[in-house]
Amino acid sequence: KNEVEQSPQNLTAQEGEFITINCSYSVGISALHWLQQHPGGGIVSLFMLSSGKKKHGRLIATINIQEKHSSLHITASHPRDSAVYICAVPLRDNTDKLIFGTGTRLQVFP
Amino acid sequence: DAGITQSPRYKITETGRQVTLMCHQTWSHSYMFWYRQDLGHGLRLIYYSAAADITDKGEVPDGYVVSRSKTENFPLTLESATRSQTSVYFCASSEWTGWVKFFGPGTRLTVL
Repeated sequence: KNEVEQSPQNLTAQEGEFITINCSYSVGISALHWLQQHPGGGIVSLFMLSSGKKKHGRLIATINIQEKHSSLHITASHPRDSAVYICAVPLRDNTDKLIFGTGTRLQVFP
Repeated sequence: DAGITQSPRYKITETGRQVTLMCHQTWSHSYMFWYRQDLGHGLRLIYYSAAADITDKGEVPDGYVVSRSKTENFPLTLESATRSQTSVYFCASSEWTGWVKFFGPGTRLTVL
């Protein structure tokens, strides 16, 4: 079993739809990261969160430490949100090292 | 310009050759990382460095060598390239451990 699992693997949406991407992990963590990889390959850190919820523009990340689950929501999705969204958690015994999920590929159509 | 840069951006080489991928950051971040990204796998850590002259192995270090004589540079060397090292390589940096904040643009390496 992978230590970090994301769902769905692929997601298509119409512009304006509300998007939810899920991340489940099996290790105890201090924080979880969400990243965005653009179609050109560039990777951007979106959030690091250890509890509750964080919001940045139309992006909202939530985490439930007890359930070992995090969600990334996109409100009023737009074609420019099309990207791969990746979650990552630190290794329990070595927080210098992150374990990455395989990503959720999102395509938003006009 | 401030940021993190990688060179070359694309490289084709042959099996057995030595290849060095360069990474340079302008923020003086303590932590630097090398990841590889392959289809079907998440980003996997090759090596990381907590400071100049301090390096440590990640998940997939075999066949790679790193050095960090200066804070801003973290080169990755494939001593004898193999086809299985065909991948996209990302360098990253961060001010503190447990968080990878800034990624380079990536180097696409093909080993024939």
